[in-house]
Amino acid sequence: DAGVIQSPRHEVTEMGQEVTLRCKPISGHNSLFWYRQTMMRGLELLIYFNNNVPIDDSGMPEDRFSAKMPNASFSTLKIQPSEPRDSAVYFCASSKPVYNEQFFGPGTRLTVL
Amino acid sequence: GDSVTQMEGPVTLSEEAFLTINCTYTATGYPSLFWYVQYPGEGLQLLLKATKADDKGSNKGFEATYRKETTSFHLEKGSVQVSDSAVYFCALSYPPPIYNQGGKLIFGQGTELSVKP
Repeated sequence: DAGVIQSPRHEVTEMGQEVTLRCKPISGHNSLFWYRQTMMRGLELLIYFNNNVPIDDSGMPEDRFSAKMPNASFSTLKIQPSEPRDSAVYFCASSKPVYNEQFFGPGTRLTVL
Repeated sequence: GDSVTQMEGPVTLSEEAFLTINCTYTATGYPSLFWYVQYPGEGLQLLLKATKADDKGSNKGFEATYRKETTSFHLEKGSVQVSDSAVYFCALSYPPPIYNQGGKLIFGQGTELSVKP
């Protein structure tokens, strides 16, 4: 079974540029979660979806961040414009219906110069 | 609100030493408890879990018991190996309140473990 797939694995960009991170959840999983990990703040939940619908986006830091899930097999997290303080590792995770064990992707390491 | 607190790291041990990583939680209901492990450069992996009081989760020689009276879920291993070096996260989650909707995890800050040969 393929696990959660994230792309790109590494992204280096300049301040002010748009960044799009992508996630493909495990087939059959209907919940999808976006996390951000930094040394200072640890692991933070940004947003999560159930059945492609955003349920809780209270962790999204500001309007520069947006997330979409157009179908059950794909989600994006977009940062526009990016800032150096957005530098972090971004994880996507998915889980099965009626089950709260989450499976994490390998993460995208974002560096904003 | 609900929260998870772990002992601060890094924890440095010699190979074959006994490991304890403390985890306590604050919860308004009856959550499930988890330990996740993150190896360098990788995402988090579920290590073990317990869904109700007095349950013991175990995997790969690691164990943790859900203690409702002390609101704790301490991680233990009798003999650590160099390959156990990683960051360990304690977390809680409630079962989906509505059928077919997953619940979100609340993580502790993570404890780095370094095992020396």
